[in-house]
Amino acid sequence: DAGVTQSPTHLIKTRGQQVTLRCSPKSGHDTVSWYQQALGQGPQFIFQYYEEEERQRGNFPDRFSGHQFPNYSSELNVNALLLGDSALYLCASSSYRVNMNTEAFFGQGTRLTVV
Amino acid sequence: AQKITQTQPGMFVQEKEAVTLDCTYDTSDQSYGLFWYKQPSSGEMIFLIYQGSYDEQNATEGRYSLNFQKARKSANLVISASQLGDSAMYFCAMRGDRSASKIIFGSGTRLSIRP
Repeated sequence: DAGVTQSPTHLIKTRGQQVTLRCSPKSGHDTVSWYQQALGQGPQFIFQYYEEEERQRGNFPDRFSGHQFPNYSSELNVNALLLGDSALYLCASSSYRVNMNTEAFFGQGTRLTVV
Repeated sequence: AQKITQTQPGMFVQEKEAVTLDCTYDTSDQSYGLFWYKQPSSGEMIFLIYQGSYDEQNATEGRYSLNFQKARKSANLVISASQLGDSAMYFCAMRGDRSASKIIFGSGTRLSIRP
């Protein structure tokens, strides 16, 4: 049973460009959440997708957008990249209608470097 | 609002000794979950242990135990018989009472095990 998978693992982009990161949730999960982890800090919640809609959003500008597909996989898009967007981007999957669960599953992350 | 505080930026411990990583939290929710994650240099967020707010007993998973003191709002991680492979960043995290709730992370503690 595959866990949460993210692609690509590493990415280098130039300031001002746009980037798309991808995430496939764990089998049986229908909800995908994205987190940004800057160097030396804890992950920060970006947003969450369920039923192809954004359900929750953290304190991130509109340059950060996402999408969820019918197969529950998700994309994170960042426009007009800034040097400060350089970070590890983590994806987590869960089941929306399940009450307290003992785990939250994360992918291995995409390390984005903006130059 | 929820908040996680980890006051130990870094710790050095001798191999085979036990170590306690501190975590305090703040929330107005009646029901919540507390997690500890290990993050090696590869970036993957590895789930270690979970404690539900209504669990009366402290959680244990192999060499990991969570010292949960609800009145003090603390959720310290105890690693017994530390190993060289335990060297990593450790994050304390909190989530609301649903599996799809966003996860709030602390700033992390870098644990280094000396041979």
